[in-house]
Amino acid sequence: NAGVTQTPKFQVLKTGQSMTLQCAQDMNHEYMSWYRQDPGMGLRLIHYSVGAGITDQGEVPNGYNVSRSTTEDFPLRLLSAAPSQTSVYFCASSSDKFWDEQYFGPGTRLTVT
Amino acid sequence: AQKVTQAQTEISVVEKEDVTLDCVYETRDTTYYLFWYKQPPSGELVFLIRRNSFDEQNEISGRYSWNFQKSTSSFNFTITASQVVDSAVYFCALSEETDSWGKLQFGAGTQVVVTP
Repeated sequence: NAGVTQTPKFQVLKTGQSMTLQCAQDMNHEYMSWYRQDPGMGLRLIHYSVGAGITDQGEVPNGYNVSRSTTEDFPLRLLSAAPSQTSVYFCASSSDKFWDEQYFGPGTRLTVT
Repeated sequence: AQKVTQAQTEISVVEKEDVTLDCVYETRDTTYYLFWYKQPPSGELVFLIRRNSFDEQNEISGRYSWNFQKSTSSFNFTITASQVVDSAVYFCALSEETDSWGKLQFGAGTQVVVTP
């Protein structure tokens, strides 16, 4: 099993550009989520999904869109990148039990200039 | 409001010293889980331990131990006889039963630096 995979590992965007961060998992997990990690702030939840076709906002959703058409994939879209979105992005998945550990992808380091 | 507080930003120790990381949490739920994750310099997040709100038994796993006290809302983590490989950022996280499907709320993290 590959676990949770994310692409790309690194990305540099100019302000106003759009892009999609890819996330896939092969563990048949229902729950998937996106976090961003900024210095001194830990990880903050952007969006999450409890199953295919169901998504919801987390703590910091502005500027990001998500969709979940399959159990395996949960892409994160930046429609118009801003310097404030410079961060490390982690995708995670877990079973549908709130006590289950979350499995994290390797992260995507995004810089917006 | 921050539900998980890790007051220590950075702790520096010399190899073989013990280091204790503090975590204080806030919740109104009676059922919740607490987690510790490690993030080494390579950047990945590694799950270390999970504790539920009904199990206050402290645990030791090798050089790691955890002290969960509901009375003080704390879930502290100790590394005994630290090694250079323990250098990492350590995150405490909370998952509440009423907050839907295991949304993890993280503390800001504590950077542990172990020097030879």
